[in-house]
Amino acid sequence: KQEVTQIPAALSVPEGENLVLNCSFTDSAIYNLQWFRQDPGKGLTSLLLIQSSQREQTSGRLNASLDKSSGRSTLYIAASQPGDSATYLCAVKTGNTPLVFGKGTRLSVIA
Amino acid sequence: DGGITQSPKYLFRKEGQNVTLSCEQNLNHDAMYWYRQDPGQGLRLIYYSQIVNDFQKGDIAEGYSVSREKKESFPLTVTSAQKNPTAFYLCASRRAGNTEAFFGQGTRLTVV
Repeated sequence: KQEVTQIPAALSVPEGENLVLNCSFTDSAIYNLQWFRQDPGKGLTSLLLIQSSQREQTSGRLNASLDKSSGRSTLYIAASQPGDSATYLCAVKTGNTPLVFGKGTRLSVIA
Repeated sequence: DGGITQSPKYLFRKEGQNVTLSCEQNLNHDAMYWYRQDPGQGLRLIYYSQIVNDFQKGDIAEGYSVSREKKESFPLTVTSAQKNPTAFYLCASRRAGNTEAFFGQGTRLTVV
């Protein structure tokens, strides 16, 4: 059964710092991996989708990489801002099954 | 605007009551999902449906029921058999294939 782990569980950084969030999964036979952002009490907002054939995707200050063979993905946030403070979740799709989620990394960017 | 609408945003249930959470999408997506989110637990799958009139149990289906009579609607009923229903419930949808999933804004259910 697919398991997804996100480390660290929480992270606090000063404004302007570049940072990396980590996601690992146990079954490398994934179809795609998706990164989401969740603000307190809100739904999930999709940030980036990486298909299994891709190595990375970029959107603005966000860059997500995927290494299927090692079962890892990273989300790189450049020049962090207080508005980036949120919980970031990764989720993987394996076969014809629904997304399996990690527990998230709670990010605080301090002004 | 296209999107996924969950209602209500907040819902209160008395002990022994059944309640129904609404999820509607106008994205013409084929698949729809219900997840439950508890503090420190991440998202756990309750039910999902990949086509109209068909649905499958997820990891924590006990005490819940769903229907998929229309492509755009996937209501979730929390029955009195669900012993600990207080949680944040999230609905999602996506097109067929390995496509991006989108989420609604959630319904917070509290037992009073």
